Amino acid sequence: DAGVIQSPRHEVTEMGQEVTLRCKPISGHNSLFWYRQTMMRGLELLIYFNNNVPIDDSGMPEDRFSAKMPNASFSTLKIQPSEPRDSAVYFCASSLTGTGAFGNEQFFGPGTRLTVL
Amino acid sequence: AQTVTQSQPEMSVQEAETVTLSCTYDTSESDYYLFWYKQPPSRQMILVIRQEAYKQQNATENRFSVNFQKAAKSFSLKISDSQLGDAAMYFCAYRSSRVYNTDKLIFGTGTRLQVFP
Repeated sequence: DAGVIQSPRHEVTEMGQEVTLRCKPISGHNSLFWYRQTMMRGLELLIYFNNNVPIDDSGMPEDRFSAKMPNASFSTLKIQPSEPRDSAVYFCASSLTGTGAFGNEQFFGPGTRLTVL
Repeated sequence: AQTVTQSQPEMSVQEAETVTLSCTYDTSESDYYLFWYKQPPSRQMILVIRQEAYKQQNATENRFSVNFQKAAKSFSLKISDSQLGDAAMYFCAYRSSRVYNTDKLIFGTGTRLQVFP
């Protein structure tokens, strides 16, 4: 199993540019999560999907952020326009929901380090 | 809302010794799950150990064990026979039970563990 795949691993962009982060969850998993990690705020959930449907997007900072999951094997997190304060590590995680008490373990991808200049 | 607190920003231990990392949480729920994740310098989030709140028996995974005190809302991690590879950030995390229809993980701010030879 390849695990959760994220691309790119590193992204450097200039303020005002559009940034798209990509995630491929583990095959067969039906829940997908986007987290952001910063020194100031730690790890925070941005949004999560179940069966490709957004369930909780209360952590999405503002309208500049959007996430989609067009199918069970792909999700994107887009920032448009990007700002320096968006600099962080963005993690994608996936899990299989509903298979028992710990069927919900979340498996994390390696993260994308985003730097907005 | 649930919160997770890790009051030790940094800890250190000598190789082969034992160290305990603290975690407290606040919730009004009676059924939930608790996790410890390890994040080495590679940034990868790795599940170390997990505990179901309705189980009184403390979870154990090889050198890692927890002290779960439900009434005190405390969930500490003990690492025995510490190894250099244990050096990492450790995050405590909380998740509501499926009764509340959410897979959202709430993380503490983390404890950086240093291991000295």
